[in-house]
Amino acid sequence: GENVEQHPSTLSVQEGDSAVIKCTYSDSASNYFPWYKQELGKRPQLIIDIRSNVGEKKDQRIAVTLNKTAKHFSLHITETQPEDSAVYFCAANQAGTALIFGKGTTLSVSS
Amino acid sequence: GAVVSQHPSRVICKSGTSVKIECRSLDFQATTMFWYRQFPKKSLMLMATSNEGSKATYEQGVEKDKFLINHASLTLSTLTVTSAHPEDSSFYICSARGRPFEAFFGQGTRLTVV
Repeated sequence: GENVEQHPSTLSVQEGDSAVIKCTYSDSASNYFPWYKQELGKRPQLIIDIRSNVGEKKDQRIAVTLNKTAKHFSLHITETQPEDSAVYFCAANQAGTALIFGKGTTLSVSS
Repeated sequence: GAVVSQHPSRVICKSGTSVKIECRSLDFQATTMFWYRQFPKKSLMLMATSNEGSKATYEQGVEKDKFLINHASLTLSTLTVTSAHPEDSSFYICSARGRPFEAFFGQGTRLTVV
């Protein structure tokens, strides 16, 4: 089955800096790679996703890159703000199957 | 967007009792739903895949007799934690697939077993 590794587990940045979180996956059949932001006690919120037919996707301050050959994908947050502080999870799956999550990254943005 | 409703959001129960958690897709039909468990400061761990009209598929290490899953309709899946113990205390969250790629999550259920 799929296995997703996520690094780093914690990340502290200054407001305005960029943050990068990286994930690797094991199943070459996976074709969907979403990123979620989760606040304590709440459901995960989808912030951006990418499908395997695309190498990069951007939405304002957030971007995701995918390298299918190396089986890794990354989340990039630019101009970080204190409200970006949260736990971020990457995930991977094939369409229709369960999402398999990475272990999460706790991002702290200090002002 | 699609909505998945999970109930209850919080429940406290005594050891040895059973607790039922409901997961409903409100505006779409979900032939498949997924149940996850999340311990504090940990990731979401897949427990089982719930299939409408058939038996659930459990992940390795998850006791099917302890975590009973029923998916009797295209809009409702239930997870029953039987004979609950304090170590079952966790955040349980369901997910439904309304479209091939996107997953929709319920609000989650905080279970505390005392």
